[in-house]
Amino acid sequence: DAKTTQPPSMDCAEGRAANLPCNHSTISGNEYVYWYRQIHSQGPQYIIHGLKNNETNEMASLIITEDRKSSTLILPHATLRDTAVYYCIVSGGTSGTYKYIFGTGTRLKVLA
Amino acid sequence: ETGVTQSPTHLIKTRGQQVTLRCSSQSGHNTVSWYQQALGQGPQFIFQYYREEENGRGNFPPRFSGLQFPNYSSELNVNALELDDSALYLCASSSPGLAGVETQYFGPGTRLLVL
Repeated sequence: DAKTTQPPSMDCAEGRAANLPCNHSTISGNEYVYWYRQIHSQGPQYIIHGLKNNETNEMASLIITEDRKSSTLILPHATLRDTAVYYCIVSGGTSGTYKYIFGTGTRLKVLA
Repeated sequence: ETGVTQSPTHLIKTRGQQVTLRCSSQSGHNTVSWYQQALGQGPQFIFQYYREEENGRGNFPPRFSGLQFPNYSSELNVNALELDDSALYLCASSSPGLAGVETQYFGPGTRLLVL
């Protein structure tokens, strides 16, 4: 079973910020939160990851709550090309197999 | 820097046949993971190879097998194909990083149709 839960779908107006939530209440202390997106059955594209601090890169920002049980991916100015399925994944640690367990993701639709 | 590549892009097989899918990892990566994605579902982990050894396996039967080569490229083999094996097969490469970070980078996938 996936370690994360996400809303199945969201809409966002073009040019507005898209805020995608993720619940990962069973995350362990050394696991990271990763975000990927998948556009129309292409391979998933890496967006961002974080451990406990907020992170920002050229694509997005990641806000992780202090208790690390949830996070939010922020696309600051959504465009039509951001329409995709967004996956939140918890993985990592100091040993073992770094497999990704995908849930069903959030289908984001950016509206013109 | 070359990203992850997979071949072929599409494949049609009949039930009972065998198939081999190929993946070239990103430069500098020594780990390859394979995933199966059925239509409308999230990818499911099949197995992972690290330095030519299997390093973890998901809930897939033994007819799903793999190899990793000294150059870290990889193959996924599926024997005795079943209709339910129709899916997008994704390969991801990575390299263990500091403090347990291991970001996986995915290829475009191979779409397999079993008739």
